[in-house]
Amino acid sequence: DAGVIQSPRHEVTEMGQEVTLRCKPISGHDYLFWYRQTMMRGLELLIYFNNNVPIDDSGMPEDRFSAKMPNASFSTLKIQPSEPRDSAVYFCASSSLYGSAYEQYFGPGTRLTVT
Amino acid sequence: GNSVTQMEGPVTLSEEAFLTINCTYTATGYPSLFWYVQYPGEGLQLLLKATKADDKGSNKGFEATYRKETTSFHLEKGSVQVSDSAVYFCALSDRGADKLIFGTGTRLQVFP
Repeated sequence: DAGVIQSPRHEVTEMGQEVTLRCKPISGHDYLFWYRQTMMRGLELLIYFNNNVPIDDSGMPEDRFSAKMPNASFSTLKIQPSEPRDSAVYFCASSSLYGSAYEQYFGPGTRLTVT
Repeated sequence: GNSVTQMEGPVTLSEEAFLTINCTYTATGYPSLFWYVQYPGEGLQLLLKATKADDKGSNKGFEATYRKETTSFHLEKGSVQVSDSAVYFCALSDRGADKLIFGTGTRLQVFP
């Protein structure tokens, strides 16, 4: 298995631009998580899905952030408009309750820089 | 609510030294406990886990024992290597919950 795939690996954009981060979970996993990691705030859970349905989006910082999962093999996290304080590494992770329950498998992350 | 507390870092050691990274938790019910490791420039990866009291998780020379009486899951390794330099995260999941609760992470730096 290729593991969790994220794209792009690096993104540099200007303030005010729209940014879309992409994630392909491990095949057969029914949970997908989006995290943000910064030096100041550590690792934060933004939102997670079960069977493509958002379960908890309480970690989404504000309305500028949105996430979708149109099917079991693809999810996006969108920031519109982006701001310099959104600069962080964004991780996607997936898991399955039918495998080793609650073990999450992380992607390599997308490093976002907003100038 | 459920929470995980880790010791502050960085932890700085010489190669072959003994490592302990403390982790305590607060949870209702009977959580599963995990240690994840993040190497520079990479995502987190599962290092070891324990699913019930007195279980010992082990991997790559690292060990941690699920201690219900002290609500702890301390990570240990008898002899660290430079390649162990990374950030280590303790985490728990509560049965019936879908998500993991992570600690703040502890940076380990091992020097030759």
